[in-house]
Amino acid sequence: DAGVIQSPRHEVTEMGQEVTLRCKPISGHDYLFWYRQTMMRGLELLIYFNNNVPIDDSGMPEDRFSAKMPNASFSTLKIQPSEPRDSAVYFCASRVGGMETQYFGPGTRLLVL
Amino acid sequence: GESVGLHLPTLSVQEGDNSIINCAYSNSASDYFIWYKQESGKGPQFIIDIRSNMDKRQGQRVTVLLNKTVKHLSLQIAATQPGDSAVYFCAESGGTSGTYKYIFGTGTRLKVLA
Repeated sequence: DAGVIQSPRHEVTEMGQEVTLRCKPISGHDYLFWYRQTMMRGLELLIYFNNNVPIDDSGMPEDRFSAKMPNASFSTLKIQPSEPRDSAVYFCASRVGGMETQYFGPGTRLLVL
Repeated sequence: GESVGLHLPTLSVQEGDNSIINCAYSNSASDYFIWYKQESGKGPQFIIDIRSNMDKRQGQRVTVLLNKTVKHLSLQIAATQPGDSAVYFCAESGGTSGTYKYIFGTGTRLKVLA
């Protein structure tokens, strides 16, 4: 199994630009989670999906952030417009229903200048 | 188990010795606990988990202990190796936060000295 796949691995952009992060969960997993990791706040859950439906987006910082899951094998996290304070590592994780363990991808390191 | 920032506690251990990493969790209603290992530039990697109906669980070279009375979780690594150097996070779920949401701890950096 390839594990959770994220792209790009690194992203450098300028303030005001749109950023799209991508995730492919482990095949057969029906839950998908987006996290953000910073030195100041550690690992924070942004949003999670079950069967492609957003269940809890209470962690999304503001309207500039949006996430979609058009099918079981693909999800995006979009930031528009991006700001320097969005600089962080963004992780995607997935799990299968009935099991509680989440499996993380390698992350996307985002730097907004 | 609140995620707070800036200063990561560090544990330095001699290669071959046992390591004990501690975690205080916040929600007495949490019923599932998990330890992750995060190496530099990588995502968190599952190590071991435990449910609240257990006090102890063993894996390969790792043991997790749960003390619900004082809301304390520990990870023991036997015969620590250089490859164990990483940041270790505990996480809790269940109770009011729900089964699907993890609350992560601050993390502890483990340094293995040769």
